[in-house]
Amino acid sequence: GQSLEQPSEVTAVEGAIVQINCTYQTSGFYGLSWYQQHDGGAPTFLSYNALDGLEETGRFSSFLSRSDSYGYLLLQELQMKDSASYFCAVKGSGGSYIPTFGRGTSLIVHP
Amino acid sequence: EAGVTQFPSHSVIEKGQTVTLRCDPISGHDNLYWYRRVMGKEIKFLLHFVKESKQDESGMPNNRFLAERTGGTYSTLKVQPAELEDSGVYFCASSRQVDEKLFFGSGTQLSVL
Repeated sequence: GQSLEQPSEVTAVEGAIVQINCTYQTSGFYGLSWYQQHDGGAPTFLSYNALDGLEETGRFSSFLSRSDSYGYLLLQELQMKDSASYFCAVKGSGGSYIPTFGRGTSLIVHP
Repeated sequence: EAGVTQFPSHSVIEKGQTVTLRCDPISGHDNLYWYRRVMGKEIKFLLHFVKESKQDESGMPNNRFLAERTGGTYSTLKVQPAELEDSGVYFCASSRQVDEKLFFGSGTQLSVL
């Protein structure tokens, strides 16, 4: 079968750093994506890792370890507007490019 | 450039009724996807169109769901007859190429009472 595991909720304060982990078990793997969704809004693409290592885009970074079937999203200098749900998604499950999504992590940023 | 638009944003219907959801993808995006999220669960894949053709409908739950994409532009997803377990948020997404990132709409919140 296939599964993605990520924490259901993470809480942090403004200005802090938070890491959202994602472990996956899929029958194939091309890469790991992260999407952000604010309440009632559209999920929006944040990052994609096909190779091991860290990808940095501004305050957000994403890491992948293919040997460990593990990745994380790192958010630095947290702002209130970062409060949202964050989904990891695997491409390649069953040989398909269509992303398979996890259950999402609700990030709550407190002042 | 307009994003992916979905209509309606909310729909409340009674069990046994019919509902049709519409999705307008980004212009020029041949790939169109339908996903569904039931509260607290994963965003689950339903089906994938390439232009007007159904490429993969392995996620469609049963034959009460019918998706179409006439002319390869907008798509509709009809649920007939609706059941209680069909409640959730139905997302549409599009991409230019199948291996590129997805652009999502804001979803249709379907409540079946």
